[in-house]
Amino acid sequence: DVKVTQSSRYLVKRTGEKVFLECVQDMDHENMFWYRQDPGLGLRLIYFSYDVKMKEKGDIPEGYSVSREKKERFSLILESASTNQTSMYLCASSLGFQPLYEQYFGPGTRLTVT
Amino acid sequence: EDQVTQSPEALRLQEGESSSLNCSYTVSGLRGLFWYRQDPGKGPEFLFTLYSAGEEKEKERLKATLTKKESFLHITAPKPEDSATYLCAVQAKAQGAQKLVFGQGTRLTINP
Repeated sequence: DVKVTQSSRYLVKRTGEKVFLECVQDMDHENMFWYRQDPGLGLRLIYFSYDVKMKEKGDIPEGYSVSREKKERFSLILESASTNQTSMYLCASSLGFQPLYEQYFGPGTRLTVT
Repeated sequence: EDQVTQSPEALRLQEGESSSLNCSYTVSGLRGLFWYRQDPGKGPEFLFTLYSAGEEKEKERLKATLTKKESFLHITAPKPEDSATYLCAVQAKAQGAQKLVFGQGTRLTINP
């Protein structure tokens, strides 16, 4: 079974803090993704990576950055946390692009910024 | 712009009462449509991928179907453990790198 793990289930941070969210997958997947999920807005893609050290912006990259130094690990960084970044953050991975592969999700990190 | 709309937003059924969830989409060439199940406070769990109109897939009490404009998730004789939010997502041919467009989800509650 594919396993995607996230470093924290719940996180509380203060405005202005630098926040690191870690994601690890154990199935040698090429692609990794970071989403946020908010009521009424659904899942929105923040960033994704299709190879080590490669990254591309998703729909809402502002205020975030990412790092992928190893194939199995994808980190989301909030440079200076703000209250509007309070959300559920979901990491996902998929095997590749061709053919079309499904994405597998981690359990999520509920981040609260006060 | 690619869009996915799911209906209804919420659905309550009695145990054993079959029904269907709808996912309507407008995309510039469909590459694939995905169904996920999400339990409260957890990440989405993959259920099905459908690639072309007319395709059907089944898993236990769930059956997913696809037409050129929409997909249905049919739930037959549901049980309380089927209660969850069901998400639909599409990937368009024009989009790069597996970018998925998600619907808002249907929150399904099965009463015993």
